[in-house]
Amino acid sequence: AQKVTQAQTEISVVEKEDVTLDCVYETRDTTYYLFWYKQPPSGELVFLIRRNSFDEQNEISGRYSWNFQKSTSSFNFTITASQVVDSAVYFCALSVGGTSYGKLTFGQGTILTVHP
Amino acid sequence: GAVVSQHPSRVICKSGTSVKIECRSLDFQATTMFWYRQFPKQSLMLMATSNEGSKATYEQGVEKDKFLINHASLTLSTLTVTSAHPEDSSFYICSAPGLAGINIQYFGAGTRLSVL
Repeated sequence: AQKVTQAQTEISVVEKEDVTLDCVYETRDTTYYLFWYKQPPSGELVFLIRRNSFDEQNEISGRYSWNFQKSTSSFNFTITASQVVDSAVYFCALSVGGTSYGKLTFGQGTILTVHP
Repeated sequence: GAVVSQHPSRVICKSGTSVKIECRSLDFQATTMFWYRQFPKQSLMLMATSNEGSKATYEQGVEKDKFLINHASLTLSTLTVTSAHPEDSSFYICSAPGLAGINIQYFGAGTRLSVL
């Protein structure tokens, strides 16, 4: 069975601070995909990134960056110079198998609050 | 724009009534769709996999007779909560695999069900 753990239930920061959201996953499959989704108060899930198990390159997209380390089964997400609009619930998720569009196992979510 | 449309966005009903939620893929066909449930301040839990033209696959612990899923066309899956009770009050979200070559899941905006 798969499992995703986001140890941080809630994080509160002041605008412009950097913040890292942790994600640890468990799976016996060698082929899998990891995702981060953002859920604003409206409830709709917004896709942020997908990473497959064979690609450990870190990725940066604007103020967002992701650190994937298979050795520690972690896929952490960093927001640089946080903004109030970053306030949301962030979910890390895992999909196993050869496709990246199979069913997802979600972590518990991290509530991020960015104060002005 | 949204690639998965979910309707209604919010529904309030009396205990004992049935509620139907629709999930449509826009501009693409989806032979598979997923239904998730999210309780307040909790994670998303997969309820079932909806398969076009065949029976849905339910996750362990999900009552098939309570949550009826129909995937009658390549663009529409419906979830019917039968004889709803207050404990069925939740946020229901559907998703569908993305367009060919993109290979991610797109999520609907969700349906907030309140059973009085």
